[in-house]
Amino acid sequence: DTGVSQDPRHKITKRGQNVTFRCDPISEHNHLYWYRQTLGQGPEFLTYFQNEAQLEKSRLLSDRFSAERPKGSFSTLEIQRTEQGDSAMYLCASSGGPADTQYFGPGTRLTVL
Amino acid sequence: GQQLNQSPQSMFIQEGEDVSMNCTSSSIFNTWLWYKQEPGEGPVLLIALYKAGELTSNGRLTAQFGITRKDSFLNISASIPSDVGIYFCAGRYNYQLTFGKGTKLSVIP
Repeated sequence: DTGVSQDPRHKITKRGQNVTFRCDPISEHNHLYWYRQTLGQGPEFLTYFQNEAQLEKSRLLSDRFSAERPKGSFSTLEIQRTEQGDSAMYLCASSGGPADTQYFGPGTRLTVL
Repeated sequence: GQQLNQSPQSMFIQEGEDVSMNCTSSSIFNTWLWYKQEPGEGPVLLIALYKAGELTSNGRLTAQFGITRKDSFLNISASIPSDVGIYFCAGRYNYQLTFGKGTKLSVIP
């Protein structure tokens, strides 16, 4: 399967713990995006990478959140000192160009107890 | 910021019926997209629209990019049970997608 993959699919953690999610985009897609989706809502944009450069961060991305894409391939999203309000589905998407269609991965469902 | 109004929020229809849902925006978009999401999965692209006035079909699905670039609709003809899911519209300006809240479709066999 050559689609976007995300790992883990589910994560349950206690409040205050750190968590890290991984996204592997479609091969040769230089553009990578992270979104967050809460229950009953559409996905909301978090951040955007072109190759290894993080070009845009939403105001939703507090200081506890950090995303990296060190070699311009896979990306990680880390949440430090998790809070219950961080519970959501974290979606990764990739595209061949900034104006091209974004293809989404299956998401990582985070539950903070 | 930009907001999308998607309606209806939910629909219950009989198998075989046609479905229509739409999205309106307070801002202009360069592209309109329609995605379908099933429980526990990420959104899957159904149709992408790139020009104002464009009408595009994908099997039983038909979508249009409004002339004003502030709206779009999606029609599903002759619905079947596997059409069940949440349908999202999304508008793209530059690289960022803004999503509606979704239309939850239930199909009664």
